Amino acid sequence: EVQVVESGGGLVQPGGSLRLSCAASGFTFSGYYMDWVRQVTGKGLEWVSGIGSAGDTYYSGSVKGRFTISRENAKSSLYLQMNSLRAGDTAVYYCTRSMSGSSFDAFDIWGHGAMVTVSS
Amino acid sequence: EIVMTQSPATLSVSPGERATLSCRASQSVSSNLAWYQQKPAQAPRLLIYSASTRATGVPARFSGSGSGTEFTLTISSLQSEDFAVYYCQQYNKWPYTFGQGTELEI
Repeated sequence: EVQVVESGGGLVQPGGSLRLSCAASGFTFSGYYMDWVRQVTGKGLEWVSGIGSAGDTYYSGSVKGRFTISRENAKSSLYLQMNSLRAGDTAVYYCTRSMSGSSFDAFDIWGHGAMVTVSS
Repeated sequence: EIVMTQSPATLSVSPGERATLSCRASQSVSSNLAWYQQKPAQAPRLLIYSASTRATGVPARFSGSGSGTEFTLTISSLQSEDFAVYYCQQYNKWPYTFGQGTELEI
């Protein structure tokens, strides 16, 4: 079964750091672009960051300079290192897969999400 | 960044009726447009990509159309399981952006 599973969410104080992980299975992870999308409870979806199969990275303006996306193809794993966290970063973070090996494609696989709460 | 605007915010319809949801982009996104369905406490599900291609397993009652800046998602005959929130997303240019969503309610 093709799936991605997030882990690493939790409660962190403002200014703190957290690292999300995403374990992929059922497909050749190294051949796909992967992204993180977040959703504030009761609100819409916001693309956060993406990474290509060759390690090229992309960020939204709201997280650039604070978040770092990375991947470890040998472990079929995606990561999101989040630093200098703010209350506005509180959200469910979804790991997603782009449909093809192209950077410009829809997200066909979504994880169940990891909740990140930034609060003192 | 490209702003995606969906209308209406809420659409009240009855089972068996036809629903038409709109999505407008602030600049052309060609056909690089996707539609997602999200039910409460679930992750979004891809319905349509490339503006008009149904994803695997999506029923034929869902159809997408449009290109450039104007897009439409049509559900031909609503089933009870279709009541959810629908989002459009452009993936033509970084940063990818989503519309604010249309809630389909009974």
